Amino acid sequence: KAGVTQTPRYLIKTRGQQVTLSCSPISGHRSVSWYQQTPGQGLQFLFEYFSETQRNKGNFPGRFSGRQFSNSRSEMNVSTLELGDSALYLCASSWTINTDTQYFGPGTRLTVL
Amino acid sequence: SQQGEEDPQALSIQEGENATMNCSYKTSINNLQWYRQNSGRGLVHLILIRSNEREKHSGRLRVTLDTSKKSSSLLITASRAADTASYFCATAAYSGAGSYQLTFGKGTKLSVIP
Repeated sequence: KAGVTQTPRYLIKTRGQQVTLSCSPISGHRSVSWYQQTPGQGLQFLFEYFSETQRNKGNFPGRFSGRQFSNSRSEMNVSTLELGDSALYLCASSWTINTDTQYFGPGTRLTVL
Repeated sequence: SQQGEEDPQALSIQEGENATMNCSYKTSINNLQWYRQNSGRGLVHLILIRSNEREKHSGRLRVTLDTSKKSSSLLITASRAADTASYFCATAAYSGAGSYQLTFGKGTKLSVIP
């Protein structure tokens, strides 16, 4: 079974731009969660989607948004990029609930210049 | 906000030795999980222990959970150079409005010297 895939793997943007990251979960998994990882703050929860509905949201500004499609694939969008948005963005999927075992993708490394 | 806190932040041992990492947390949890991350890559799930369990084993891994002390430990026996990675504990807890959230600690960086 294929693992969680994320595209693109690396991205360089400039301040003020917007970016869209994509995540394809393991086949059959319906819950997709997104995390931001930085050296200073560690791994922080962004949001979770289940059956195309946002079920849970972390403490991030409204510039961070996401969605899930009917095939469980998910995208997250960051608008008006700031230098502090530079991070590794990780997507994880699980069968039903995000507190069960999470299967992580390799991440998208975003650099904001 | 970080719920779990790992201790120590960094650990360096010789190949063949045992490595012990600890995790403390603040609120009641549904389960606690340990993950491994190799440098800048995705996390790999190691083990999940539920709040009504005290100990769990998986290969060379042994996890204990003490809910009265709100703490957990991960023991890796007979370590190998390939065990070099960062290890994170994650606590699953009720976050309000009928939902649960998985919250990660900042991790322990383990170096196993051949």
